[in-house]
Amino acid sequence: AQSVTQLGSHVSVSEGALVLLRCNYSSSVPPYLFWYVQYPNQGLQLLLKYTSAATLVKGINGFEAEFKKSETSFHLTKPSAHMSDAAEYFCAVSGYTTGGGNKLTFGTGTQLKVEL
Amino acid sequence: EPEVTQTPSHQVTQMGQEVILRCVPISNHLYFYWYRQILGQKVEFLVSFYNNEISEKSEIFDDQFSVERPDGSNFTLKIRSTKLEDSAMYFCASSERGGNQPQHFGDGTRLSIL
Repeated sequence: AQSVTQLGSHVSVSEGALVLLRCNYSSSVPPYLFWYVQYPNQGLQLLLKYTSAATLVKGINGFEAEFKKSETSFHLTKPSAHMSDAAEYFCAVSGYTTGGGNKLTFGTGTQLKVEL
Repeated sequence: EPEVTQTPSHQVTQMGQEVILRCVPISNHLYFYWYRQILGQKVEFLVSFYNNEISEKSEIFDDQFSVERPDGSNFTLKIRSTKLEDSAMYFCASSERGGNQPQHFGDGTRLSIL
C-alpha cells in the first residue's frame, strides 16, 4: 500500500520568505509523486510531478520539489512567497496498477498562509 | 488550455434519492477517475475507468455507486440511494494515459444530502 504524510496542516510565512511544505511517502514500488494546489472553491491544479527522470523537479509558479529516496521525502519549496500562493497544497503518490490507471493517494493537505 | 468540466457545481438532494454527477473529461484523455473529499478530510480515490470498464475501485465504491461513459464525451457518477455520509465534494479527473501521467481535475461538485 502507498501513502503520504504531510507534516503541518497549517504553515504561515511572510511575503518574500522561503516556503517549505513537507511530504514523506511510503511505497513498496518506485513511486510517482505529485504536488497539487487547491485554491478556494476550485479543483486541484497540478504543480509538479516526479517520475524518476530527475530528482529535482521544477513546477509552475516558481515551485520546485526534490525527491530524496534515502529520506523518503518529496518536500515542496519556493524561494520567495507571494500573497497569491495562499492555498491548500496536497502531496500525492501513485503506482502503476494492473488496470493501467494510476490511483492517487493524497496526503491530508497543508494550508499555506502568506502574511504581509 | 483544455480542462475537465463538472456539472452541477452544487447539488442538494434528499436522503434516499438518486443523484448523477456529470463530467466532461479532456477530449484526448483515455483514463477517467472520481475522487471525493468530505469536508475537513483528505481527497479519497473512488474509481478509475478505462476502455469502458472499471479498472480499479476503492472500498468506498460499493453497490450504491456506478459509473458510465454514455457517449464519447461524458463520464458520470451515479449514487443510487444517497445517505447523509455521501455529502462531500466530488472531483472528476482524467489523464491522457495511465502510469505516471498526471491527472487533471475538474472544479468539483459539492453534494449536500439533507
